[in-house]
Amino acid sequence: GAVVSQHPSRVICKSGTSVKIECRSLDFQATTMFWYRQFPKQSLMLMATSNEGSKATYEQGVEKDKFLINHASLTLSTLTVTSAHPEDSSFYICSGSLGNNEQFFGPGTRLTVL
Amino acid sequence: AQSVSQHNHHVILSEAASLELGCNYSYGGTVNLFWYVQYPGQHLQLLLKYFSGDPLVKGIKGFEAEFIKSKFSFNLRKPSVQWSDTAEYFCAVAGGDYKLSFGAGTTVTVRA
Repeated sequence: GAVVSQHPSRVICKSGTSVKIECRSLDFQATTMFWYRQFPKQSLMLMATSNEGSKATYEQGVEKDKFLINHASLTLSTLTVTSAHPEDSSFYICSGSLGNNEQFFGPGTRLTVL
Repeated sequence: AQSVSQHNHHVILSEAASLELGCNYSYGGTVNLFWYVQYPGQHLQLLLKYFSGDPLVKGIKGFEAEFIKSKFSFNLRKPSVQWSDTAEYFCAVAGGDYKLSFGAGTTVTVRA
């Protein structure tokens, strides 16, 4: 149980375009979803926290207009990287939580911006 | 805000050797502590967690960790590693807001 999926697993886009990444909790309702970014050989950095039906809370230094998060239902959250640039290339990981302080992680999405 | 420090960047050992990975955290309040593992090409999986109670926590695949409050530590141990334990290991801490702060990770390579 407690499976989280992400789509796509890999995406390559041109600079200036927007990319949407989906995060779904497949067998549970995630009251809260989290979005992380992981650079090569580095740890996960929390970008934002989203609760279903409300605005996401962004961590310091994360541009909310750049990284748009929508949490439309208890099983789906989306991250849209707007006007992507090469420095946005990274591994984006989402997680879902049942609200008991345990998170279940998706497999991640590798974004490459050319 | 909490921070997490993992002592070892890369550990190389032989099968059947014992493993101990250090993790220290800084946070003023009550914490919940986690160890996650990321096998090559796979997503993060929970190894074990500590919320309260017995400070010696047993997890999956023979791993255990000990919470020592006075030392702000939560070290991970396994008495005898296998080749399949080759992975990246992350220590993480959450405060009352449920937000996880991760350590930098330790790459463990087990040689057959």
